[in-house]
Amino acid sequence: EAGVAQSPRYKIIEKRQSVAFWCNPISGHATLYWYQQILGQGPKLLIQFQNNGVVDDSQLPKDRFSAERLKGVDSTLKIQPAKLEDSAVYLCASRSDRAFNSPLHFGNGTRLTVT
Amino acid sequence: QQQVKQSPQSLIVQKGGISIINCAYENTAFDYFPWYQQFPGKGPALLIAIRPDVSEKKEGRFTISFNKSAKQFSLHIMDSQPGDSATYFCAASKWTGANNLFFGTGTRLTVIP
Repeated sequence: EAGVAQSPRYKIIEKRQSVAFWCNPISGHATLYWYQQILGQGPKLLIQFQNNGVVDDSQLPKDRFSAERLKGVDSTLKIQPAKLEDSAVYLCASRSDRAFNSPLHFGNGTRLTVT
Repeated sequence: QQQVKQSPQSLIVQKGGISIINCAYENTAFDYFPWYQQFPGKGPALLIAIRPDVSEKKEGRFTISFNKSAKQFSLHIMDSQPGDSATYFCAASKWTGANNLFFGTGTRLTVIP
């Protein structure tokens, strides 16, 4: 099966600019996650979707971050305006609901550098 | 607040040696403990996972040991190979429902030929 697709692969922006990331999960996976991985740290959940509904966005900085998953498939994560501390790899992951507690499948991420 | 603490931060092992990475958690509600392997430029991939109804799980050269009373679990890589060089993350979550995985800070493993 095709894996989780993310784009762009890299992005460099100046602080206060906006940026958007795109994710296409594995076909049929109802649950989609966005994680932030700062250099030297483990991934931290930003938001979790079940189909096109938000399950958990408690750690999403809502004053600058937004995410949507229209039609329960692709998802976009946006940052506006970006801060220096937003420099990180943004990982998208998806999970099937067909098997109980099936594993998360991660994409290769988008590396964001804010200057 | 770090839900899962992981050590060491980095580890260098000779080829054929045993690599051991340790993790500890605080939340007693956690009952699912996966390990993820991440190569540079790639996303993490599930390596092996355990539930606390068993104290050990082995898959090939990889073994998870679990100590529920101490709230600790560890990954042992036997006969370590240069291809095992990667960053390893432990994680924890509740088994049921829409489980959010809490990741450790990662261990960069280097296996020297």
